Amino acid sequence: AQSVTQLDSQVPVFEEAPVELRCNYSSSVSVYLFWYVQYPNQGLQLLLKYLSGSTLVKGINGFEAEFNKSQTSFHLRKPSVHISDTAEYFCAVSLISSGSARQLTFGSGTQLTVLP
Amino acid sequence: SAVISQKPSRDICQRGTSLTIQCQVDSQVTMMFWYRQQPGQSLTLIATANQGSEATYESGFVIDKFPISRPNLTFSTLTVSNMSPEDSSIYLCSVFDGAARAFFGQGTRLTVV
Repeated sequence: AQSVTQLDSQVPVFEEAPVELRCNYSSSVSVYLFWYVQYPNQGLQLLLKYLSGSTLVKGINGFEAEFNKSQTSFHLRKPSVHISDTAEYFCAVSLISSGSARQLTFGSGTQLTVLP
Repeated sequence: SAVISQKPSRDICQRGTSLTIQCQVDSQVTMMFWYRQQPGQSLTLIATANQGSEATYESGFVIDKFPISRPNLTFSTLTVSNMSPEDSSIYLCSVFDGAARAFFGQGTRLTVV
């Protein structure tokens, strides 16, 4: 079975400062890795994903994440945050079966609050 | 990509009753996934719905409480049966596209009183 740990439940940061949201995963088989964002009272939106290839993946809204296989981590970063980035962020993994993604296992979420 | 239409978007129900949530996808998909997001919590997978076979339930979820239908490759329903206040949650359906991107319905916000 796979599991996802998001080490920080809440991350406050000032506007225009950099931010890193941490995610570690555990799995005995290969997985796909994802970051999702959930704005207040809205659905989930995919920020970025890692399937294979380059370990640095770039997503929407200026976010990027780096896959580190040895540390089983997939931390999310943004060099300069905006007030509009305030949201809940979820890290997730998916098993791979026959080359296709299967159900997602989510971390507990990190509430990012950008302060003026 | 995939567009998912989920309804109802919200409902307030009496305890002991049942609610059926519908998800319609704009393309054919083999598997549809149903998740629950309890207040202030992350998403937990309830079950995987395959067309033409019974749904596969995760630990802690049973068919009698959460019966699922999957009559074709674009549609699925999840019923929350004999509801109690503990069932108050957001329920979401999800599918993957061919590029391993998961798409979610907007969710059904259920309040049981």
